[in-house]
Amino acid sequence: DAMVIQNPRYQVTQFGKPVTLSCSQTLNHNVMYWYQQKSSQAPKLLFHYYDKDFNNEADTPDNFQSRRPNTSFCFLDIRSPGLGDAAMYLCATAGNSNQPQHFGDGTRLSIL
Amino acid sequence: GQNIDQPTEMTATEGAIVQINCTYQTSGFNGLFWYQQHAGEAPTFLSYNVLDGLEEKGRFSSFLSRSKGYSYLLLKELQMKDSASYLCAVREDSNYQLIWGAGTKLIIKP
Repeated sequence: DAMVIQNPRYQVTQFGKPVTLSCSQTLNHNVMYWYQQKSSQAPKLLFHYYDKDFNNEADTPDNFQSRRPNTSFCFLDIRSPGLGDAAMYLCATAGNSNQPQHFGDGTRLSIL
Repeated sequence: GQNIDQPTEMTATEGAIVQINCTYQTSGFNGLFWYQQHAGEAPTFLSYNVLDGLEEKGRFSSFLSRSKGYSYLLLKELQMKDSASYLCAVREDSNYQLIWGAGTKLIIKP
């Protein structure tokens, strides 16, 4: 039973065309994270929410935005994707800071 | 600064034992996690250490020495399905963020 669900698994968009990635969870976890991961690199945290409290990483480009309309859903909006934004985008949740993060299957984003 | 070091790649034989090391330098320490990540898939949680010593979970064990800034993941009775990347991640303090290593790609040969 999938607990953190990301849609779609694969997304192709055009250079500069806005794209939205979605994540939902059935765990009722307080914390939700968005990571960017490129091949053979560590996951890079973009932002996270504790409930509705939004926390942006200092080096996350302005091109990346996020919304969390309720506990279950979180969205990643890329306003004007560039070729360098092609990557795997991972959503994760955690009940609190002492618990491991649970990841969705990820969305692999390609930019044409 | 923050730094987590792991070997880039390791090779081992099916049925054998392998130890994957992780050293970290962080401004604080509040727990270390190991995750497994198969190619093209999301990381899955393996183990968590916050106190010194060994945590055992079936074929997998994880060890922590806080004074040395060192952890290892021990995999026994290796199976072909253990071929994956293994990521070490440290939580610096009581916040919700992890500092991630780049992962160790483990190749299992028959």
